[in-house]
Amino acid sequence: DGGITQSPKYLFRKEGQNVTLSCEQNLNHDAMYWYRQDPGQGLRLIYYSQIVNDFQKGDIAEGYSVSREKKESFPLTVTSAQKNPTAFYLCASSRAGEITDTQYFGPGTRLTVL
Amino acid sequence: QKEVEQNSGPLSVPEGAIASLNCTYSDRGSQSFFWYRQYSGKSPELIMSIYSNGDKEDGRFTAQLNKASQYVSLLIRDSQPSDSATYLCAVISNTGNQFYFGTGTSLTVIP
Repeated sequence: DGGITQSPKYLFRKEGQNVTLSCEQNLNHDAMYWYRQDPGQGLRLIYYSQIVNDFQKGDIAEGYSVSREKKESFPLTVTSAQKNPTAFYLCASSRAGEITDTQYFGPGTRLTVL
Repeated sequence: QKEVEQNSGPLSVPEGAIASLNCTYSDRGSQSFFWYRQYSGKSPELIMSIYSNGDKEDGRFTAQLNKASQYVSLLIRDSQPSDSATYLCAVISNTGNQFYFGTGTSLTVIP
């Protein structure tokens, strides 16, 4: 089955810890994205990548880092510099390069800071 | 001004009625428009995409696009309790590199 997987589903972090959220896709999509969603709010773009070994900051990149070493994988690290990391994190992918490209989402990771 | 604006609701309709969800966008050059449904605690799933002015129908769902008015809507006919969710409008910017999402409209279908 083609799709996007995210792990873990739930993640708990202590203050001052870095944590890494996994995102893998087997759709052969070039572009991948990370969004953050807070209760009652829309999706805010953290980082996106259109090709391997290249990525761009989104609207709220501070306190986050990413890598894109493989086409299939786009992990997100939430660093201790992110002051309010408790949120629902969504990974998405699209073919990229086409104006009509649709984004498809993984199941999400819910991060809670203890 | 936000790129994409939606009425947050909540919108309540009785079962069997038509639910009408609306969205406006600011980038006049936008060409691609999407509606996603998001159940509580879950990720968004694509319902409809529309690229040309007019209506596009898929089962009980109809997307309507009016580029002159910078307005896109979603009609859900014969609403069912299972349609209760938050509906997100999304627009691809003119550069094609970024989606802009609205904050979503919460819909409740009352049995």
